[in-house]
Amino acid sequence: EIVLTQSPDFQSVTPKEKVTITCRASQSIGSGLHWYQQKPDQSPKLLIKYTSQSISGVPSRFSGSGSGTDFTLTINSLEAEDVATYYCHQSSGLPWTFGQGTKVEIK
Amino acid sequence: QVQLQESGPGLVKPSETLSLTCTVSGGSISSYYWTWIRQPPGKGLEWIGYVSYSETSYHNPSLKSRVTISVDTSMNQFSLDLISVTASDTAVYYCARGVTSCTHGVCSRAYYFDSWGQGTLVTVSS
Repeated sequence: EIVLTQSPDFQSVTPKEKVTITCRASQSIGSGLHWYQQKPDQSPKLLIKYTSQSISGVPSRFSGSGSGTDFTLTINSLEAEDVATYYCHQSSGLPWTFGQGTKVEIK
Repeated sequence: QVQLQESGPGLVKPSETLSLTCTVSGGSISSYYWTWIRQPPGKGLEWIGYVSYSETSYHNPSLKSRVTISVDTSMNQFSLDLISVTASDTAVYYCARGVTSCTHGVCSRAYYFDSWGQGTLVTVSS
């Protein structure tokens, strides 16, 4: 099983600050890494697919990068509506797995 | 736009079977990988497994052989059965659509979840 480890687990950020969340895989997964946002009491929502590909309707302040085993989700200029838990997900190897999540709050 | 809706009992007794159905509307079930994911209260996401429109299925080995995922294309539904449940199976259960990208007829083996149901809380308790 491919284990995904996110860091940090929790981040408290001031509005307009840049947020960086990392996701490290236990083995190389190519570009099969995706990011989701889950707001309180809501279903997860797709933010980024295949490491860095943008999703229609998702604000441009969200971006992804990385390759191999190390991946990053960046939120440029955090807004209040971005308060959520963020998950990475790999589907390069079965079973598909998720990171443990990173909770982002407003300071 | 495709919509997914989970349905099933909200309370299941220990050792019994948890059965959920996901109804797909606004799109055909005859494609994609249809997936179940769960989230214990206050915890992260756990992928349970998928079934394809052609009835190929795979489930997370962590659930051993307790899982069956099936599809009914005539009803535009897919289902989850989880046998011998315990309190640790208490969670919000989500259904989701697994999608891949294809370029010039060549499709990636890596899927992502582009549509999710609202989730349904299933509590295992006597």
